[in-house]
Amino acid sequence: DTEVTQTPKHLVMGMTNKKSLKCEQHMGHRAMYWYKQKAKKPPELMFVYSYEKLSINESVPSRFSPECPNSSLLNLHLHALQPEDSALYLCASSPGLAGGPGGGELFFGEGSRLTVL
Amino acid sequence: GEDVEQSLFLSVREGDSSVINCTYTDSSSTYLYWYKQEPGAGLQLLTYIFSNMDMKQDQRLTVLLNKKDKHLSLRIADTQTGDSAIYFCAEHYGGATNKLIFGTGTLLAVQP
Repeated sequence: DTEVTQTPKHLVMGMTNKKSLKCEQHMGHRAMYWYKQKAKKPPELMFVYSYEKLSINESVPSRFSPECPNSSLLNLHLHALQPEDSALYLCASSPGLAGGPGGGELFFGEGSRLTVL
Repeated sequence: GEDVEQSLFLSVREGDSSVINCTYTDSSSTYLYWYKQEPGAGLQLLTYIFSNMDMKQDQRLTVLLNKKDKHLSLRIADTQTGDSAIYFCAEHYGGATNKLIFGTGTLLAVQP
C-alpha cells in the first residue's frame, strides 16, 4: 500500500463551523505533514509530525489544530475559519527524516479542497 | 531567504524535449527534488539528486545540477501529452528540521 488517503475530498463550511480533515497512510512512515496550497501557488508547509510528535508549526493560526492519534493517522481540526482559508489542503508522509533522501521524499494525498463561506 | 524560483510556463510539442529550470537559495541543501502535480491531484515525486552530483538520469528524465550557480534543471525527453502538469522543484532546507521548500512551479503544456 503506497497511498496517502485524505477525506473528505471536498468540504464547504461556514465561518462558525467546526470540521476536521483526515489523513491516513499505512506505509510505516514516521513523518507526516500538512500543506496548504492556493490556486497556482506552491504548497506551503503548515505542520510536521515526527514520531507522532509535533516538530514544526509554521506559525499557523490557532483556528487550525493538528492531531496525530497514531503513526498512521493525521487530523486537521478546523474552527472559526475565514474565507481566505479556502484552499487545497494536502497531507503527506515520508519514510525518512532530515538529512537523507527520504526526508524530502514525500508521498502526497489527493488533497481536501476546502471552501469557507 | 527561502525563495526557489522557476519560470511560470513552458509550451512544447509532443515528441520534443522539455527543459524546466529552477534556481534555489540554500547552498547547504543536500538533496534537491522534482515533483509533478496533475490537475486536481496531489504532488508526485519524480526524482531527486544529491548535491555532490552533477547529473542524474532516470529513464526519460535527466536532472542537471550546477551547485556553483544554484541552478537545477529537469529535462524530459520525448515529451508526451501525459506530461502536461505543473512541475515543482524543491530543496531540503538545511538544519535539523525536515522542511521542504517548493519552487514557484512551472506549468508544462504539451501540444499534440
